[in-house]
Amino acid sequence: AQSVSQHNHHVILSEAASLELGCNYSYGGTVNLFWYVQYPGQHLQLLLKYFSGDPLVKGIKGFEAEFIKSKFSFNLRKPSVQWSDTAEYFCAATYNNNDMRFGAGTRLTVKP
Amino acid sequence: DAMVIQNPRYQVTQFGKPVTLSCSQTLNHNVMYWYQQKSSQAPKLLFHYYDKDFNNEADTPDNFQSRRPNTSFCFLDIRSPGLGDAAMYLCATSRVGRQETQYFGPGTRLLVL
Repeated sequence: AQSVSQHNHHVILSEAASLELGCNYSYGGTVNLFWYVQYPGQHLQLLLKYFSGDPLVKGIKGFEAEFIKSKFSFNLRKPSVQWSDTAEYFCAATYNNNDMRFGAGTRLTVKP
Repeated sequence: DAMVIQNPRYQVTQFGKPVTLSCSQTLNHNVMYWYQQKSSQAPKLLFHYYDKDFNNEADTPDNFQSRRPNTSFCFLDIRSPGLGDAAMYLCATSRVGRQETQYFGPGTRLLVL
């Protein structure tokens, strides 16, 4: 079955530290990849998405993600996190239709 | 602002008592989705509508039903809630196409007593 896995359940960083959150997806033909963020008390919002072309995708708020086909990975990165980045981050994929498969999420806590 | 609205934000029901959650959108999107999200787990797709065409996930229990009377509204009906149905229920919308972003509502947290 098509699935998405996120390696880290909870990540704790200090402000200005660099961030990398892992995401792997299962093979299923053409895949489209997304990172969503959920700030405390708010709804899921799109950070960035990948369909084709340049495997390095830039998103909002300084986030980026790299699609590495050979590794079935789509890791999220940010060079320097801020306290306001504290949130839950979800990796997701769609395969042949609109059905979106989510990873379990990674909770990021940034200490001021 | 165009958005996805869910009401109520919190819903308390009794074991076995039917409950309906509602979702509305001002985005005029063709596709509407319902997800169930339990604590520390991924959102799990229950079903979705392409316009009026209903698409049920294979493992969605029969206890969960949905209605979409028009483009703007979609309802989730839980006919006989059990304790295991306590969760956050998320509504989302999108245009048709696997590349399309899904826009989420704030969710309704369901508590079953």
